[in-house]
Amino acid sequence: AQKITQTQPGMFVQEKEAVTLDCTYDTSDPSYGLFWYKQPSSGEMIFLIYQGSYDQQNATEGRYSLNFQKARKSANLVISASQLGDSAMYFCAMREEGNTPLVFGKGTRLSVIA
Amino acid sequence: GAVVSQHPSWVICKSGTSVKIECRSLDFQATTMFWYRQFPKQSLMLMATSNEGSKATYEQGVEKDKFLINHASLTLSTLTVTSAHPEDSSFYICSATRPGELFFGEGSRLTVL
Repeated sequence: AQKITQTQPGMFVQEKEAVTLDCTYDTSDPSYGLFWYKQPSSGEMIFLIYQGSYDQQNATEGRYSLNFQKARKSANLVISASQLGDSAMYFCAMREEGNTPLVFGKGTRLSVIA
Repeated sequence: GAVVSQHPSWVICKSGTSVKIECRSLDFQATTMFWYRQFPKQSLMLMATSNEGSKATYEQGVEKDKFLINHASLTLSTLTVTSAHPEDSSFYICSATRPGELFFGEGSRLTVL
């Protein structure tokens, strides 16, 4: 069974600084995808970044990058140059091969301080 | 723009009534949709997998007679919370897939009085 672990219930970061949100996963499927979503107080799920299990390079999307360490089964999200608008819940999720659902971690609440 | 639309965004109902939430894929056909529930300050928990033209597959612990899921067309899945009670108050969110992509609806916040 797949499992996602986010060990940081809450994180604080100073505006303009970088922050790393931790995520580890467990799966026996060799083909899987890792996702990060941002959920503001409105509730919508905003897709941030994706990493495939066979991707050789770490994914990057603007200020977001994913530190993928396959052997350690970790997929940490790095947000550079934090902005006040980055304050939200962040969820790490995984999807195994096929038409399968996303499985989510418990989330990390990020607060950006001016 | 949104490719998956969920309606209503907010609903308040009296205890004992039923509430229907719709999830539509706007410009693609979704043979599979997923329904999640999220309690305050918690994560999204998968409730069921909705397949067009067949019965939904429910996760363990989810009452299929209470949470009726219908996926009658390739663009519409509905979740009906029957005889709602205050403990059913939650944020319900759907997702739909097309090859290589997965999209979320905006979510529906249900409050049962």
